[in-house]
Amino acid sequence: QQQVKQSPQSLIVQKGGISIINCAYENTAFDYFPWYQQFPGKGPALLIAIRPDVSEKKEGRFTISFNKSAKQFSLHIMDSQPGDSATYFCAASSMDTGRRALTFGSGTRLQVQP
Amino acid sequence: GAVVSQHPSWVICKSGTSVKIECRSLDFQATTMFWYRQFPKQSLMLMATSNEGSKATYEQGVEKDKFLINHASLTLSTLTVTSAHPEDSSFYICSARESGRTEAFFGQGTRLTVV
Repeated sequence: QQQVKQSPQSLIVQKGGISIINCAYENTAFDYFPWYQQFPGKGPALLIAIRPDVSEKKEGRFTISFNKSAKQFSLHIMDSQPGDSATYFCAASSMDTGRRALTFGSGTRLQVQP
Repeated sequence: GAVVSQHPSWVICKSGTSVKIECRSLDFQATTMFWYRQFPKQSLMLMATSNEGSKATYEQGVEKDKFLINHASLTLSTLTVTSAHPEDSSFYICSARESGRTEAFFGQGTRLTVV
């Protein structure tokens, strides 16, 4: 099973609040879990990524939490700003096909209100 | 670093014509490049994977004769939409990955409109 399930579909957060987006996967061969940010009409930009040997990774206001046993990972955006308003995609990949193609979640539209 | 440039950003073509989209890795050698299609308010759908110097691997349901992919060098991959029809109108995005690295970086996308 290659699917990556992402929730919520949309999210409204007040400026300064914490945005939390969740993803779950089935394929235990996945060993790389990135998050991408996409603005309308643009390509996705890599935000932060994690491997299953760590439970948390933080870069600035962005934190990934990873639960290997539950096969879940989440993105936390601290002190959310209006400029963070975008669509966020979680993804996962493995080398089992030799390609390391990304399997994407369905996306979360984040709106940060001023 | 890790810049992927996609050209053109948008293109309008007449039904029945062919359109070529270029994807270049500007500051690294991309042994693997991926082509995605994205419909409005939807996720990215992988169309095909290309490795430099070899034939592309297409995902199930993607017509290889309609979407021709060429990866002739370590910095350039092209997607040609042949005999385009209005239903081919979409946002096409490429990504590139360097050998030995896990990160994939995306181009800015190409908005194709077939009229």
